[in-house]
Amino acid sequence: KAGVTQTPRYLIKTRGQQVTLSCSPISGHRSVSWYQQTPGQGLQFLFEYFSETQRNKGNFPGRFSGRQFSNSRSEMNVSTLELGDSALYLCASSLGLASFQETQYFGPGTRLLVL
Amino acid sequence: TQLLEQSPQFLSIQEGENLTVYCNSSSVFSSLQWYRQEPGEGPVLLVTVVTGGEVKKLKRLTFQFGDARKDSSLHITAAQPGDTGLYLCAGARGGSQGNLIFGKGTKLSVKP
Repeated sequence: KAGVTQTPRYLIKTRGQQVTLSCSPISGHRSVSWYQQTPGQGLQFLFEYFSETQRNKGNFPGRFSGRQFSNSRSEMNVSTLELGDSALYLCASSLGLASFQETQYFGPGTRLLVL
Repeated sequence: TQLLEQSPQFLSIQEGENLTVYCNSSSVFSSLQWYRQEPGEGPVLLVTVVTGGEVKKLKRLTFQFGDARKDSSLHITAAQPGDTGLYLCAGARGGSQGNLIFGKGTKLSVKP
């Protein structure tokens, strides 16, 4: 069974630009969550999508948005990039049964550098 | 405010030593998970603890969930260089695992 894949793996952008990151979950998984990881703040939850609907949302500004397609693939978009958006962006997939015992599987992440 | 505090932040030990990593919070969690992350990769789940007071063992790793479900510990016996990595604890609140709250992690280095 293929794991969670994320593309691209590395990205360099300049301030003010926008970026779209992609995540393909494990086959059969309907929930995709996105996290931002930085040395200073650690891993922070951005949002979760289930069946093409945003089910949970973290405390990030509206510049961060996402969507999920009918095949469960998900994209996140960051508009008007700031230097502080430089981070490793991780997505995780799960069955989405809303059970606190359910396992999330993480992808390798997309490392974004904003210059 | 960091809801989950991990300590220590960094740990450098020799092969064969024992160590304990702590994860503390003032909040109650439905479950608590421990992950290990290696450079260039995403976190990999090690264990999920659900019941207060629960103890789970995974080979040389022992995980404990506090009675009040607010804290947890990870104990490694006879550490090996392959244990090197970033250890993260994460708490789930409510019924959804889609919103995990992570600690900042403990960076462990085991020298041969």
